[in-house]
Amino acid sequence: SAVISQKPSRDICQRGTSLTIQCQVDSQVTMMFWYRQQPGQSLTLIATANQGSEATYESGFVIDKFPISRPNLTFSTLTVSNMSPEDSSIYLCSGGAQHMNTEAFFGQGTRLTVV
Amino acid sequence: QKEVEQNSGPLSVPEGAIASLNCTYSDRGSQSFFWYRQYSGKSPELIMSIYSNGDKEDGRFTAQLNKASQYVSLLIRDSQPSDSATYLCAVDYDYKLSFGAGTTVTVRA
Repeated sequence: SAVISQKPSRDICQRGTSLTIQCQVDSQVTMMFWYRQQPGQSLTLIATANQGSEATYESGFVIDKFPISRPNLTFSTLTVSNMSPEDSSIYLCSGGAQHMNTEAFFGQGTRLTVV
Repeated sequence: QKEVEQNSGPLSVPEGAIASLNCTYSDRGSQSFFWYRQYSGKSPELIMSIYSNGDKEDGRFTAQLNKASQYVSLLIRDSQPSDSATYLCAVDYDYKLSFGAGTTVTVRA
């Protein structure tokens, strides 16, 4: 399994600002994903981070709000832009390899509170 | 994202009993199925994966898959207080995972 490191682990931010979350994996994974988990809810996929190209966003999520980078196979960032209190959530990075039948492993998450 | 439905909780079981968790999914093309355990305040941890119809056992956990019925389940035998967590069913589609809402299990000592 991959070991996935994510930082920061938590942050409290002012509305209108942006926060960039970093995700580092210890091995080359084919796939990297970003999820959001709102309080008491399950995981919702934000986007698939593609190496060297634009991320693929799920319905309801847009690049202007959640720009994502993946400059190489082991690193990705998610930015939450122009934050509002509704963005308060846990953001999770996930990685996996296609040859592993889509098994995915998670970083420890970033708990974001927007005030 | 594809629909994944889990039996509503919370589920409370006495220590030593069997906890039974159920999950149905909408996409007949799904081939990979996973159970994750999530402790409060922690990220999900993969505990079981299953790809073929039938049962798969790993220690006290048994996953069961029936693709014809689009149904996957997880049994936790000899439940322990440390099994108290939320269990998430995940189903693949297009190399991505869709998650159910989760079932919270509480094991009573």
